[in-house]
Amino acid sequence: AQSVTQPDARVTVSEGASLQLRCKYSYSGTPYLFWYVQYPRQGLQLLLKYYSGDPVVQGVNGFEAEFIKSNSSFHLRKASVHWSDSAVYFCAVRNYGNEKITFGAGTKLTIKP
Amino acid sequence: EAAVTQSPRNKVAVTGGKVTLSCNQTNNHNNMYWYRQDTGHGLRLIHYSYGAGSTEKGDIPDGYKASRPSQENFSLILELATPSQTSVYFCASGDVRRGVNTGQLYFGEGSKLTVL
Repeated sequence: AQSVTQPDARVTVSEGASLQLRCKYSYSGTPYLFWYVQYPRQGLQLLLKYYSGDPVVQGVNGFEAEFIKSNSSFHLRKASVHWSDSAVYFCAVRNYGNEKITFGAGTKLTIKP
Repeated sequence: EAAVTQSPRNKVAVTGGKVTLSCNQTNNHNNMYWYRQDTGHGLRLIHYSYGAGSTEKGDIPDGYKASRPSQENFSLILELATPSQTSVYFCASGDVRRGVNTGQLYFGEGSKLTVL
């Protein structure tokens, strides 16, 4: 069965600093991986996705993620965070066979001024 | 613009009562999903569907039923609601292109259910 682990429930970063949110997945096949963001009182929105090819994928608002197969990881990064990046971030993996999409528990990101 | 609409947005129910959460999508997506969101658990998959007439069990289906009468509509039904089902429920539709499910989901704004 597939699963996603986001080990950090909360992360606080100063505005302008760099960011890394961690994600590890468990899936026996080739994973389809996603990062979603949830702003307060809203549904989730896609940040970026990885299917194949270049292991570093670019997303919206300067976010990127790197797929490292040997480590089963798909960490999210941003070079310089802005106060508007405060949100909850979810990592997800898709099962290609049955099309189930499994989410991690999420990481709540707070940006300090 | 993809659109997924949930109703009701807020619901208070009594223990043992029946609750129906409705979801409508105008994206013409084949796949639809129901998740619940709880602190510490993130989003957990309850039921999903490949198309009209199909429903599949997700990871936590107990206590829930689903119905997909048409491409556009997907309902989640709690026949006998319990306080443990107090949560925020999200519906989503899945992007299918040329027969391949890209996996990108489009979410509604959520339905907050409180069972007293």
